Amino acid sequence: EDQVTQSPEALRLQEGESSSLNCSYTVSGLRGLFWYRQDPGKGPEFLFTLYSAGEEKEKERLKATLTKKESFLHITAPKPEDSATYLCAVQAYFNKFYFGSGTKLNVKP
Amino acid sequence: DVKVTQSSRYLVKRTGEKVFLECVQDMDHENMFWYRQDPGLGLRLIYFSYDVKMKEKGDIPEGYSVSREKKERFSLILESASTNQTSMYLCASSLARQGLSPGANVLTFGAGSRLTVL
Repeated sequence: EDQVTQSPEALRLQEGESSSLNCSYTVSGLRGLFWYRQDPGKGPEFLFTLYSAGEEKEKERLKATLTKKESFLHITAPKPEDSATYLCAVQAYFNKFYFGSGTKLNVKP
Repeated sequence: DVKVTQSSRYLVKRTGEKVFLECVQDMDHENMFWYRQDPGLGLRLIYFSYDVKMKEKGDIPEGYSVSREKKERFSLILESASTNQTSMYLCASSLARQGLSPGANVLTFGAGSRLTVL
């Protein structure tokens, strides 16, 4: 069964405490893996797309990596403004995206 | 920046009412989608459209219909709202049917419409 699983469901960090979020998938024919950030009461906002195993993307304190079975979103020295829910989505074909349930990140000052 | 605008941020309706959710995108995207988002269930696709007047069912189309009369506008219709349709509804768009560039398949979302059915 095609599915995407994110862990942990929730993560509390102190400001400056680095950590990683996991997105594991069992989707055949991956065409792309997407990371989104969602703030409360808002729609998801695009962060990264990864297309092949070994690929890495960086943006400020965030770095996304991809293997054949999972992706990690590494957060280095997070700040309170990084608090949000991070969603992972795997594209199987042009219109089919499998979404994980998200990891809710809370960064305390 | 691509903008996807959902006309209603919060709605409260009664069981049996007909509900229209409107979505407009301003960057000439081919594809438009309607998702619902519920805690613990992630985003689930209701319908999508890849062209004007074209639509395809997603994973949970029951109780919903859609309309795309113009390229920029995609409407979600609940013919007779029920309490189990209380949810956050998200509209999204993407550039192209065949991924011509790395960014072609990125979904751009609207701010969401939170619907409560009493």
